[in-house]
Amino acid sequence: RKEVEQDPGPFNVPEGATVAFNCTYSNSASQSFFWYRQDCRKEPKLLMSVYSSGNEDGRFTAQLNRASQYISLLIRDSKLSDSATYLCVVNFAGFQKLVFGTGTRLLVSP
Amino acid sequence: GAGVSQSPSNKVTEKGKDVELRCDPISGHTALYWYRQSLGQGLEFLIYFQGNSAPDKSGLPSDRFSAERTGGSVSTLTIQRTQQEDSAVYLCASSMSLDTEAFFGQGTRLTVV
Repeated sequence: RKEVEQDPGPFNVPEGATVAFNCTYSNSASQSFFWYRQDCRKEPKLLMSVYSSGNEDGRFTAQLNRASQYISLLIRDSKLSDSATYLCVVNFAGFQKLVFGTGTRLLVSP
Repeated sequence: GAGVSQSPSNKVTEKGKDVELRCDPISGHTALYWYRQSLGQGLEFLIYFQGNSAPDKSGLPSDRFSAERTGGSVSTLTIQRTQQEDSAVYLCASSMSLDTEAFFGQGTRLTVV
């Protein structure tokens, strides 16, 4: 099993749609979780951290499910500018490093 | 500047030559990562430095690849006898600790011809 797994997509959605991505992780001792966004030919940038209680930032909501070892990202009212690749990132305490998923590609169309 | 700085931003080299890629992390960040990304692909982990601990080299694809981090700050990734399959964007990231987010540099685009 991969350390961090994501559906590569692409997810094709119309503007205004709600879309959700999941990411599963293998190390139950993981303690920190993040979502990053990567635009074409750009470096990844932090979108939001994921807290145990779940957190929301505008149209974006992140959730953590420790029992099933996955995190999720929900995007409401999708905009064209949301088109990007979304990377799931998990810290692996035993290995002392952050592990990146390979990303889920989102395409929002008019 | 305040961010992660990588140089050069672009490098074209001939097959068989050696190249050195440099990363200047954010001041005070103890963790430093190198990744590479081929066109249209995800991030491939290469190597990780954390403080004075031995680096995690588990992602280096062959013994042609090596990296060092001097004085806990600047890091250099060296690729010897480059091959065409080494062509990719090499990304460096740093973080303050294991539990905090990582910040990326803009990458070095390496093209081996």
